[in-house]
Amino acid sequence: AQKITQTQPGMFVQEKEAVTLDCTYDTSDPSYGLFWYKQPSSGEMIFLIYQGSYDQQNATEGRYSLNFQKARKSANLVISASQLGDSAMYFCAMREGQFKETSGSRLTFGEGTQLTVNP
Amino acid sequence: DTAVSQTPKYLVTQMGNDKSIKCEQNLGHDTMYWYKQDSKKFLKIMFSYNNKELIINETVPNRFSPKSPDKAHLNLHINSLELGDSAVYFCASSQVPKQRGGYTFGSGTRLTVV
Repeated sequence: AQKITQTQPGMFVQEKEAVTLDCTYDTSDPSYGLFWYKQPSSGEMIFLIYQGSYDQQNATEGRYSLNFQKARKSANLVISASQLGDSAMYFCAMREGQFKETSGSRLTFGEGTQLTVNP
Repeated sequence: DTAVSQTPKYLVTQMGNDKSIKCEQNLGHDTMYWYKQDSKKFLKIMFSYNNKELIINETVPNRFSPKSPDKAHLNLHINSLELGDSAVYFCASSQVPKQRGGYTFGSGTRLTVV
């Protein structure tokens, strides 16, 4: 069963506007971590933001914030004030067993959302 | 200084050949991974090593063999390459669970089998 679902294959946003990229997940483990990565056309994977399942506050990193709704099992990425350089593929990922000492700490990725920022 | 470095960045080879991709990390992380990104951009884990010990071995053809000489290095050797092996291969490392942040990825190796 797919554990990470990104339902938006492509999204378009005007420069300087905010955009929300959706991510839902499925796990029975009470401890998990959620990640967002950006992959520009150059191909590298850039870590953006992290949310732990026990974190009380939604994560924020500069223009990135994570709208974490635990009961709904969603972890949407919000990018404020979009820039042309934000055009890229965005991946949501999950690691189960946030506090486990042993590894088995694989990241499971969603299928990605291609974001295009228009001038 | 590059945190996770992979070589080569591009690899074009003929079917049936054997090739290796090397990965090194200078972050002091205990765990290293190989991920495969297919033509549809889907990323899937292949292997994981923790302190030189293989801990994740997904359903991958046994033509793929990872080797970790020490915890800073994780190489991927592929025998008898097939057209379907064409993909981008990413090496990554992490320090779980102390690292709250993400996994650090290398820049990827684009393998093309012709």
